[in-house]
Amino acid sequence: DSGVTQTPKHLITATGQRVTLRCSPRSGDLSVYWYQQSLDQGLQFLIQYYNGEERAKGNILERFSAQQFPDLHSELNLSSLELGDSALYFCASSVTPGTSGAPFGPGELFFGEGSRLTVL
Amino acid sequence: AQKVTQAQTEISVVEKEDVTLDCVYETRDTTYYLFWYKQPPSGELVFLIRRNSFDEQNEISGRYSWNFQKSTSSFNFTITASQVVDSAVYFCALSARNSNYQLIWGAGTKLIIKP
Repeated sequence: DSGVTQTPKHLITATGQRVTLRCSPRSGDLSVYWYQQSLDQGLQFLIQYYNGEERAKGNILERFSAQQFPDLHSELNLSSLELGDSALYFCASSVTPGTSGAPFGPGELFFGEGSRLTVL
Repeated sequence: AQKVTQAQTEISVVEKEDVTLDCVYETRDTTYYLFWYKQPPSGELVFLIRRNSFDEQNEISGRYSWNFQKSTSSFNFTITASQVVDSAVYFCALSARNSNYQLIWGAGTKLIIKP
């Protein structure tokens, strides 16, 4: 058990709909990362938050948004869903912000079990 | 540009055999970190190891060992005396200053250990 909790574990919805995925990081971790894992794209970094503020952005679509709340949990909102959005969405957390500044490199990431989204 | 290549898409071995998973990386940074993660059938990604670019010592942890060679830009992972529970997808990842230390992932190698 990594200590990172993601809900829901499975979600089936229709095209055009909107869903919200929730993540509770490990106790004490300030950084939250969102990843998308699909068969054809592999693991894709979406976005990172550190202590409530957006820290880094990856390949996140404009239809997707995220935020981190004062209690450090995070939500990933996916809207106008398309068939191609079907994937496993992971949340990960770490203590450090993991950004530039040697020796302040990245700590290990602790991943949740993922939320499997199926868009029909 | 940063890149991680795991050329082996899938490896299948019989239990108790040794197996090596290859990882080749590309970066122009002199400061970087390399990682291995395991994704068992349950789906959760599990951290295995982090190695920074200034430490080329190989590491052994039980049946797991890692061979970091800067000269060939490789960070290979060996499992000795493999067990069925080792069956998983293994990902190699790179984190470097020029990419703001975001993880760059390889495509993963699916390891199947047959009883």
